[in-house]
Amino acid sequence: QKEVEQNSGPLSVPEGAIASLNCTYSDRGSQSFFWYRQYSGKSPELIMSIYSNGDKEDGRFTAQLNKASQYVSLLIRDSQPSDSATYLCAAGVGGYQKVTFGTGTKLQVIP
Amino acid sequence: EAGVVQSPRYKIIEKKQPVAFWCNPISGHNTLYWYLQNLGQGPELLIRYENEEAVDDSQLPKDRFSAERLKGVDSTLKIQPAELGDSAVYLCASSSGGLGTQYFGPGTRLLVL
Repeated sequence: QKEVEQNSGPLSVPEGAIASLNCTYSDRGSQSFFWYRQYSGKSPELIMSIYSNGDKEDGRFTAQLNKASQYVSLLIRDSQPSDSATYLCAAGVGGYQKVTFGTGTKLQVIP
Repeated sequence: EAGVVQSPRYKIIEKKQPVAFWCNPISGHNTLYWYLQNLGQGPELLIRYENEEAVDDSQLPKDRFSAERLKGVDSTLKIQPAELGDSAVYLCASSSGGLGTQYFGPGTRLLVL
């Protein structure tokens, strides 16, 4: 079992719709969670971090964490073609510095 | 503020040759990471440094890979000898403090022929 699991996709949504990306993790000691966006041929860039149960909103992005279910999600409202990328979920343990990445979900926003 | 710097950006070598990658983290970041990323996969940790100390190198193939961060700032990752399966993107990242937020460099794309 992988420590951080994501559906590889692709997830296709029409422009303006809500994209919902999901992630599960196996280590109950995980304390920090991150969503990174990676465009093709580029390096990952941080979108959101979340540390406590509930929702965290930043602009069009909302991260949701449910530690009891070991589940993290990222919602992208009003999806734009420029949001088309691979989204990596990551979980951190051990004083936050050991981070494990999932394989990523490819998102395609159709104009 | 300058980001994480890596060089070279691209490298093509023949198998069995040595290769080295260099990384300069964001100023003040004491934690430095080297990752390997294959196509369609997430980054996989090779080694993590806290200042000069390698605190997690369990995934580093020590028979051919080595790394150093002598002064706790920039770092070098070396492969000797390179194998065909080493073709991948090598990412360097750095972070500061205890929140684990990592900032990635542009990566080095290695092709072993």
